[in-house]
Amino acid sequence: DAGVIQSPRHEVTEMGQEVTLRCKPISGHNSLFWYRQTMMRGLELLIYFNNNVPIDDSGMPEDRFSAKMPNASFSTLKIQPSEPRDSAVYFCASTAGSGSSYNEQFFGPGTRLTVL
Amino acid sequence: AQSVTQLGSHVSVSEGALVLLRCNYSSSVPPYLFWYVQYPNQGLQLLLKYTTGATLVKGINGFEAEFKKSETSFHLTKPSAHMSDAAEYFCAVSYGGSQGNLIFGKGTKLSVKP
Repeated sequence: DAGVIQSPRHEVTEMGQEVTLRCKPISGHNSLFWYRQTMMRGLELLIYFNNNVPIDDSGMPEDRFSAKMPNASFSTLKIQPSEPRDSAVYFCASTAGSGSSYNEQFFGPGTRLTVL
Repeated sequence: AQSVTQLGSHVSVSEGALVLLRCNYSSSVPPYLFWYVQYPNQGLQLLLKYTTGATLVKGINGFEAEFKKSETSFHLTKPSAHMSDAAEYFCAVSYGGSQGNLIFGKGTKLSVKP
């Protein structure tokens, strides 16, 4: 398996622009997670989906952030409008949930977002 | 709410010295326990995990961790540090269920001096 795939790997944009981050989870995994990592705040869970349904979005910073999972193989995290304080590395992770995986999460390589 | 505490945001050891990274969780119910490692500019990857059975768990790159229920701890150790071990290490817990969410600690950055 190719693992969790994220695109783009790097994104540089200007304040006020819309940014869309993409994630393809591992085939067969039923849960997907979006994390943000910064030097100041460390690793933060933004939102997670189970069977394509958002379960907990309490980590989403504000209404400028939205996430969707239209099907089991694709998810997006959108920031509109973007601000410099959104600059961070965004990780997507997936897991098979219950069963023999014991909830081990597999992480993608991340998208490094810079908002100027 | 359940939480994970990693003592020390930054640990520095000399090459060849013992590595000890501490992790404690807050729960009366034993969780599943994980250590993840993040090398610079990379995503997190699983180092080792405890689910059931033997409380001493061996992982990749010579690391191991011991689950101590009485101390609610899952400390990570390696007898002899190597320069390539320099990375950030995250402890995480899960309480099972179909949703698969983990609770992560804040991470410990390990530096290895020559």
